Amino acid sequence: DQQVKQNSPSLSVQEGRISILNCDYTNSMFDYFLWYKKYPAEGPTFLISISSIKDKNEDGRFTVFLNKSAKHLSLHIVPSQPGDSAVYFCAASDGNYQLIWGAGTKLIIKP
Amino acid sequence: EAGVVQSPRYKIIEKKQPVAFWCNPISGHNTLYWYRQNLGQGPELLIRYENEEAVDDSQLPKDRFSAERLKGVDSTLKIQPAELGDSAVYLCASSLELAVEQYFGPGTRLTVT
Repeated sequence: DQQVKQNSPSLSVQEGRISILNCDYTNSMFDYFLWYKKYPAEGPTFLISISSIKDKNEDGRFTVFLNKSAKHLSLHIVPSQPGDSAVYFCAASDGNYQLIWGAGTKLIIKP
Repeated sequence: EAGVVQSPRYKIIEKKQPVAFWCNPISGHNTLYWYRQNLGQGPELLIRYENEEAVDDSQLPKDRFSAERLKGVDSTLKIQPAELGDSAVYLCASSLELAVEQYFGPGTRLTVT
């Protein structure tokens, strides 16, 4: 049973436009959510996180939105740049320091 | 500040052979994780250490996998004997105690033939 789902295996966006990556979860006990970015042949890199007591967190071009009632979060990248092309993973924690990961979404930024 | 260091980066072995992976976490990070990642999937936790104690090894296939973190710093993950299904990327991560954010090394890509 996948507790964290990223339903889009890939997403293609024009450079300069907004990229929106989505993530759904099923476990209402999750209280902290993270986004990681992964380039080929590298480990995942922490990008941005959000606590369940918030509904938005912003860091430069990256904003994460959390909708607890819908059990949905999204990562917005504005404006999208070529260096943003990577696989993005959504992960969730229930307070036990174990992260439950989605399968990832491959983002392709077109010039 | 140096990141998480892993070696080797790539390893090709025949099935039934042993293999070992090494990880040195970020200085000051008490918590160390070993993950396995298959293509098209997110990382799956194998074992978590708090200092030298393995506090969560419920996902570690103990018949063939073993891990140690003797001095609470660097760690070794071993597979003996390896099977074809063990082909994957093995990731090491570390974090500060009680922190959720984990920081990953580059991983070791294992191919079992």
